[in-house]
Amino acid sequence: AQSVAQPEDQVNVAEGNPLTVKCTYSVSGNPYLFWYVQYPNRGLQFLLKYITGDNLVKGSYGFEAEFNKSQTSFHLKKPSALVSDSALYFCAVSRNTGFQKLVFGTGTRLLVSP
Amino acid sequence: EAQVTQNPRYLITVTGKKLTVTCSQNMNHEYMSWYRQDPGLGLRQIYYSMNVEVTDKGDVPEGYKVSRKEKRNFPLILESPSPNQTSLYFCASSPLTGGIINEQFFGPGTRLTVL
Repeated sequence: AQSVAQPEDQVNVAEGNPLTVKCTYSVSGNPYLFWYVQYPNRGLQFLLKYITGDNLVKGSYGFEAEFNKSQTSFHLKKPSALVSDSALYFCAVSRNTGFQKLVFGTGTRLLVSP
Repeated sequence: EAQVTQNPRYLITVTGKKLTVTCSQNMNHEYMSWYRQDPGLGLRQIYYSMNVEVTDKGDVPEGYKVSRKEKRNFPLILESPSPNQTSLYFCASSPLTGGIINEQFFGPGTRLTVL
């Protein structure tokens, strides 16, 4: 069975500081990993994905994520946070074969203060 | 414009009255999916479809039905809605690359209240 854990309900960071939003996963076989962002009163938008290759994945709006197979983690990072980054962030996992069931985490609210 | 559309956007109904939420995409995507979003529970997949006439259960399929008769449409059917199905529902679509899901495009959401 697939599962995703986002251990922090909320992350608070000051503008200009680096941010990290944590995600760990469990899946049989090799994972496909995704980050999505949801701004208030809007649908979800794709940020980035890891399928294979380089463990550091770069995505939209200056975000990046690091895949760590031994720790089964896929943490989202940004070197310098903006107030406009404040939103709800979801990590998701699928498999690299077979039926493509997708499991999301419970979400982490990022609050960037001026 | 490439998009996923859902209708209705808002719906208030009563227990037991059958309803359908439509979903349509114009990107020729093979993969379509329905999710519900509830506070503290994140997004949970209800059903997904890998292609026409190919559907499978997600994590929370009870009380829902889907069909995929055409590639562009993936309606969600609640045969006998109950109050615990009050939620925010999202439809999404994705191309498949080598049979593997890719970036998903989400619809704007349907807020359903069952009284």
